[in-house]
Parts: sequence; structure tokens; C-alpha cells
Amino acid sequence: QKEVEQDPGPLSVPEGAIVSLNCTYSNSAFQYFMWYRQYSRKGPELLMYTYSSGNKEDGRFTAQVDKSSKYISLFIRDSQPSDSATYLCAILTGGGNKLTFGTGTQLKVEL
Amino acid sequence: EAQVTQNPRYLITVTGKKLTVTCSQNMNHEYMSWYRQDPGLGLRQIYYSMNVEATDKGDVPEGYKVSRKEKRNFPLILESPSPNQTSLYFCASSKDPSWAGHTEAFFGQGTRLTVV
Repeated sequence: QKEVEQDPGPLSVPEGAIVSLNCTYSNSAFQYFMWYRQYSRKGPELLMYTYSSGNKEDGRFTAQVDKSSKYISLFIRDSQPSDSATYLCAILTGGGNKLTFGTGTQLKVEL
Repeated sequence: EAQVTQNPRYLITVTGKKLTVTCSQNMNHEYMSWYRQDPGLGLRQIYYSMNVEATDKGDVPEGYKVSRKEKRNFPLILESPSPNQTSLYFCASSKDPSWAGHTEAFFGQGTRLTVV
């Protein structure tokens, strides 16, 4: 079983829509969860991270962790064409020595 | 400006011809790592380094070597490249290998390698 799994999409939504991106993970001991955004031909950049359970909000972005179901989510409100990118969830694994990434979900926000 | 710099950005080479991809960071980070990104497989860690002269294998180390002689540099070496190493490579650095210091990794712009 993979440590983290993510639906690859692609996901296409109209501008202004609420977007929900999700990942599941295998080990209930994982504590640090991150979302990275990767534009075409660029390296990933950190959007947000959460520790343990709960929600974290930053502008139009909300990260949510549900440890009981081993599920992490990223919500984007009022999506914009500039949000079009691949979104990667990541978890600190290996005793904290590495980031394990999901395969990424490609998002396109259309005018 | 804080950054991770990789070179070259694009490289086409032939099977068996040794090559080095350089990576340099200007943030005085202790932890550096290399990933490869392939369609459907996502980012997979090749090697990582906790500090100078401290390197270890990631998930897919076969066919690669690394060295960490200085804190800022972490080159990736392919001694005898093969077509299955055609991929998009990223170098990344993090503040330190503690749990908290690891939560933000800074990535380079990527190196697209084609081995024919």
C-alpha cells in the first residue's frame, strides 16, 4: 500500500468555483501534512502545512486533516485562472527524514 | 533572494556518458535532497543529505551518486545513464532535518534529462 495516494485528475472547474483536492494516507502515526503547488515547468512551492488534526486557513485556501479517516484536503474558494496548476499533497515520513508526495492533481480553472 | 539553483535546466545525452547535475542553495540549509518526477509516479526521493559528508539513499537510488562536500552544494551524478533515467529532476533544501525544520522544502526549477 502506498503511503499517500492522490487522485491525479485532471480537474476542470469554472472561475469562482470551490475546489476540493484530496489525499489519503496509510499510517496513522504521520503528523505533518503539506500542500505544494507546481506550475508548469516550475518546481513545487509550499502552499500550506498543518500539524496533526484540524483546519488551517490562509486567504482563499483551507487545509484540513481528518486523522480518524486518514484523509487530507485542500479547499480553494473563489478559484481563479491563476490557480491552474498541479497540487501535490506531501507527508513527512521516514522518521522525519523525507517528504513523501502524492502523485499530484492537475487543476484547470477556466474563464 | 532565497533560492535553489540547478544546472543545466535541459540536457539530452547518450547512454553511458557520465553526467553531473549541479544544485546549490543560498539559505544555509542543512538538509538537501534529490527527487525525480515521472508521470503517474509523482515525486520520488533519490538521495538525501542531513549535512556535510552525511548522505543516504532515498526510495530510488539505483544508478545515481551524490556528494556533499560543502553545505551549499549537492550534485547528482549519473555514472552511466540509461534511458530509464529519462525524467524531470528536482533538488530541494530544508532548514534542518528536525520535524519542524522540514516542513518547508524549497525546490529548484528542475532539470529535464533525456537519455537516448
